[in-house]
Amino acid sequence: GAGVSQSPRYKVAKRGQDVALRCDPISGHVSLFWYQQALGQGPEFLTYFQNEAQLDKSGLPSDRFFAERPEGSVSTLKIQRTQQEDSAVYLCASSVSTGGAYTEAFFGQGTRLTVV
Amino acid sequence: SQQGEEDPQALSIQEGENATMNCSYKTSINNLQWYRQNSGRGLVHLILIRSNEREKHSGRLRVTLDTSKKSSSLLITASRAADTASYFCAVNSGNTPLVFGKGTRLSVIA
Repeated sequence: GAGVSQSPRYKVAKRGQDVALRCDPISGHVSLFWYQQALGQGPEFLTYFQNEAQLDKSGLPSDRFFAERPEGSVSTLKIQRTQQEDSAVYLCASSVSTGGAYTEAFFGQGTRLTVV
Repeated sequence: SQQGEEDPQALSIQEGENATMNCSYKTSINNLQWYRQNSGRGLVHLILIRSNEREKHSGRLRVTLDTSKKSSSLLITASRAADTASYFCAVNSGNTPLVFGKGTRLSVIA
């Protein structure tokens, strides 16, 4: 596709429910990032993939958060037993860059998760 | 934790005026990037400045970088109502992914 696509755009989950958020990066982009953005705040890094390898997951807030990118393209962020503090916008971004110096990242529109 | 810190947190100006936003960071960087985010939307890349560059222009945007002070500024000239958005700086250091600041909320009043 022309850009990074995320689905669903909006998700309402009951506390304790599991959710799965999908990201379709730009074709050919090696790097894929997940960020969490609370209302009025900047994006906070969650995890990073280079192709199918998860190189950095230091930003995942707890073991309830899990991300995968099994074929080096589509990625899924899964949150188990959701809690109210998980309510946020989850942003996915992709980039052509590898290595230490990143060029621009292309962001999807995000998934707004509300846990009730 | 967020490394880039934008200043001011919020800015309101009249259409046609210039808007200046500042960003400070803590560590050495490979590059610094500015992004714009309209309400309810994803982030859009505006401009990237490398650590060995001091100034960069793109249309009505001008970015400066002072690595000795660990700071950058984004200037939007002749602002328009459509420039109303949140602006974020993001730093790339070593092998770490982009680290964003909390952003500056710009309101341009027609």
